[in-house]
Amino acid sequence: GAGVSQSPSNKVTEKGKDVELRCDPISGHTALYWYRQSLGQGLEFLIYFQGNSAPDKSGLPSDRFSAERTGGSVSTLTIQRTQQEDSAVYLCASSTEETQYFGPGTRLLVL
Amino acid sequence: KNEVEQSPQNLTAQEGEFITINCSYSVGISALHWLQQHPGGGIVSLFMLSSGKKKHGRLIATINIQEKHSSLHITASHPRDSAVYICAVTRGTYKYIFGTGTRLKVLA
Repeated sequence: GAGVSQSPSNKVTEKGKDVELRCDPISGHTALYWYRQSLGQGLEFLIYFQGNSAPDKSGLPSDRFSAERTGGSVSTLTIQRTQQEDSAVYLCASSTEETQYFGPGTRLLVL
Repeated sequence: KNEVEQSPQNLTAQEGEFITINCSYSVGISALHWLQQHPGGGIVSLFMLSSGKKKHGRLIATINIQEKHSSLHITASHPRDSAVYICAVTRGTYKYIFGTGTRLKVLA
């Protein structure tokens, strides 16, 4: 079956613009996670969804970041008024139990 | 101090060598995970351990719960094993707590 997919794979934007990143989890996976990996850095947790609700948003770095999930499936991570420090790879993962399956990531560059 | 520490940070080996990557953690866990991230960025789950030892091909993962320590071994290493290996723990919930990763380069 299909794995986790993300789009776009690459995004270049200008500082101050809004961006939307999409994640399609594995069918049937109720849990969905967003992570960020800045250049040369480790993985940073952003937000976790169980179904359509987000019981843990503790990793979102500022109120410019938001995420939603609809129909217990697709999720969108939105970054408003992007800043250069938002440049990173944004990874999505999904799971049914404790093992997470990662998507290929969206590489975001803010100029 | 990070809750999950890995060593070494960087490792270069010759093809065929036996490789060990270590992970220590300071919190109670329900499971420990080893992940592999290739240069293209994709992350693959290698193992999930809560006790003992697991083997998959040339990869072996062990965990000692009492000592809060896990090792990932690669036997007969190959250049295609070159990647970043990441240790992560879970604590009865969904959330991965990540180590900083070990960058492995295997030379032909």
